[in-house]
Amino acid sequence: NAGVMQNPRHLVRRRGQEARLRCSPMKGHSHVYWYRQLPEEGLKFMVYLQKENIIDESGMPKERFSAEFPKEGPSILRIQQVVRGDSAAYFCASSSTGEQVYGYTFGSGTRLTVV
Amino acid sequence: ILNVEQSPQSLHVQEGDSTNFTCSFPSSNFYALHWYRWETAKSPEALFVMTLNGDEKKKGRISATLNTKEGYSYLYIKGSQPEDSATYLCASNAGNNRKLIWGLGTSLAVNP
Repeated sequence: NAGVMQNPRHLVRRRGQEARLRCSPMKGHSHVYWYRQLPEEGLKFMVYLQKENIIDESGMPKERFSAEFPKEGPSILRIQQVVRGDSAAYFCASSSTGEQVYGYTFGSGTRLTVV
Repeated sequence: ILNVEQSPQSLHVQEGDSTNFTCSFPSSNFYALHWYRWETAKSPEALFVMTLNGDEKKKGRISATLNTKEGYSYLYIKGSQPEDSATYLCASNAGNNRKLIWGLGTSLAVNP
């Protein structure tokens, strides 16, 4: 029973390129959350999605960032025209409706470096 | 804005010592308190999810308590071992929404 799978583990992009980060939730989980960890900072909520729906995107920057969780396939966090300040670790977590008992399951993260 | 604070920021103990650290959170509109263990180069791992005032949970040598009226939770580690070295994070979501607000963590180092 695979956990939350994120890929790639490491991603290097030049300024102005696009970054696509993928997250496959744990089997049976229909809720996906994206978090960002900037250097020397804690985890910051970005977006919460269910299949085909964005439930809460209050933590997403207004421009260049978007997220989706299609009916089929992984959730995608997309960053257009990346800048150096986007360099961070991006974590995905998933849950079933029972996360108040079991908590969230996290992926290993994608470390984005913008050069 | 909801703030979750943890103390101390870091802690060094000797193998065999017992230790504890604190997570404080706004008590109004409380819904749940999560504790996670995060080892370097790995992903956060859920330890406990607590919802009821006075709740106590235990997993092996690690236990946690919750006081929702005053807005704090304690995490205890009995007889620390080097493998307990990690960052311990707490997070809370006020109201019935799934957006967790995270503390910055307590970094624990256990010296053999």
